[in-house]
Amino acid sequence: GENVEQHPSTLSVQEGDSAVIKCTYSDSASNYFPWYKQELGKGPQLIIDIRSNVGEKKDQRIAVTLNKTAKHFSLHITETQPEDSAVYFCAASLNDYKLSFGAGTTVTVRA
Amino acid sequence: GAGVSQSPSNKVTEKGKDVELRCDPISGHTALYWYRQSLGQGLEFLIYFQGNSAPDKSGLPSDRFSAERTGGSVSTLTIQRTQQEDSAVYLCASSLDVSVSPLHFGNGTRLTVT
Repeated sequence: GENVEQHPSTLSVQEGDSAVIKCTYSDSASNYFPWYKQELGKGPQLIIDIRSNVGEKKDQRIAVTLNKTAKHFSLHITETQPEDSAVYFCAASLNDYKLSFGAGTTVTVRA
Repeated sequence: GAGVSQSPSNKVTEKGKDVELRCDPISGHTALYWYRQSLGQGLEFLIYFQGNSAPDKSGLPSDRFSAERTGGSVSTLTIQRTQQEDSAVYLCASSLDVSVSPLHFGNGTRLTVT
């Protein structure tokens, strides 16, 4: 099955700086790559996703890049704010319904 | 509108007891999913429903776990003879249909087996 690795496991950034989280996946047939944000006591919330026919997608301060050849994808958050502090999960999917998740990155934005 | 609703939010049970976890998906969503999140871990797929059918149950850890969905809406995940390793947060999600649509997660049920 699909195996997704996520780095780093924790990330501390100064408010206003950028944060980058990287994930690799094992199955070249995976074609859907969502990113979720999870706040304490809440379920994960989709923040951005990308399909394998696209190399980059941006939504305001959040962007995702995908390198199919290298089988890795990254989340970029610019101009970080305290409300960006949360656990972020990447995921990969072959078939749209069974997501394989990374282990998560705890992001702390220091004021 | 209302999101995915899960109940109870917390459940403490003794080892060996059965538990039922409930999920109420977003109205109109035909696909429903169960995932498990162990402490400090990512999410692990358990099962998904398309309507009332479960085409993929491959993630259920053992035959102590079962799930059903009735009326194309509410789903229950049942764990029989609970073990301490079953302690985790059980997350339910729904989507408009099974392909090309994002998953919307509930806040989960935190299960603690003592």
